[in-house]
Amino acid sequence: DQQVKQNSPSLSVQEGRISILNCDYTNSMFDYFLWYKKYPAEGPTFLISISSIKDKNEDGRFTVFLNKSAKHLSLHIVPSQPGDSAVYFCAASGGGGSQGNLIFGKGTKLSVKP
Amino acid sequence: EAGVTQSPTHLIKTRGQQATLRCSPISGHTSVYWYQQALGLGLQFLLWYDEGEERNRGNFPPRFSGRQFPNYSSELNVNALELEDSALYLCASSLGGWVWEANNQPQHFGDGTRLSIL
Repeated sequence: DQQVKQNSPSLSVQEGRISILNCDYTNSMFDYFLWYKKYPAEGPTFLISISSIKDKNEDGRFTVFLNKSAKHLSLHIVPSQPGDSAVYFCAASGGGGSQGNLIFGKGTKLSVKP
Repeated sequence: EAGVTQSPTHLIKTRGQQATLRCSPISGHTSVYWYQQALGLGLQFLLWYDEGEERNRGNFPPRFSGRQFPNYSSELNVNALELEDSALYLCASSLGGWVWEANNQPQHFGDGTRLSIL
């Protein structure tokens, strides 16, 4: 049973436009959510996180939105750049039995075209 | 500041052998986590160590084990290797301490060890 879902395996966006990556979760006990970016042959790189007590967190071009009632979060990248092309993973933690570990989605491959 | 480092980069073993993977966390981090990324399965949590103790483990058999040393580096040992153990093994570290602190600290990953079982 997948507790964190990224339903779009891929997304293509024009340079300069907004990229919106989506993530849904099923476990209402999750209280901390993260986004990671992964290039081929490298480990995931931490991008941005949000605690369940907030509904928005910004860091430069990256903004994460959390909708707890819908159990949905999204990552907005504005403006998108070709260097943003990578696989993006959503992750969550805090549910019963998951202390200290992250539950990952399967990723969305973002392609930003010049 | 050095990131999380893992060794070796690649490891080739045969069925039934044992594998040892190593991880050095970011300086100042006391928590170390191990994940497996098998083909098509995404990242799966294996083990979490903090202050030298195992804090939690994922749904993996006991032949997956590890330890954390006084300098907070960690080893992952996989005994009686099976073909399905072929995967990328990722180590991550974070500021540690109490469970509720660890739940709200981002984990920072190394580049992994690619384990291939022939």
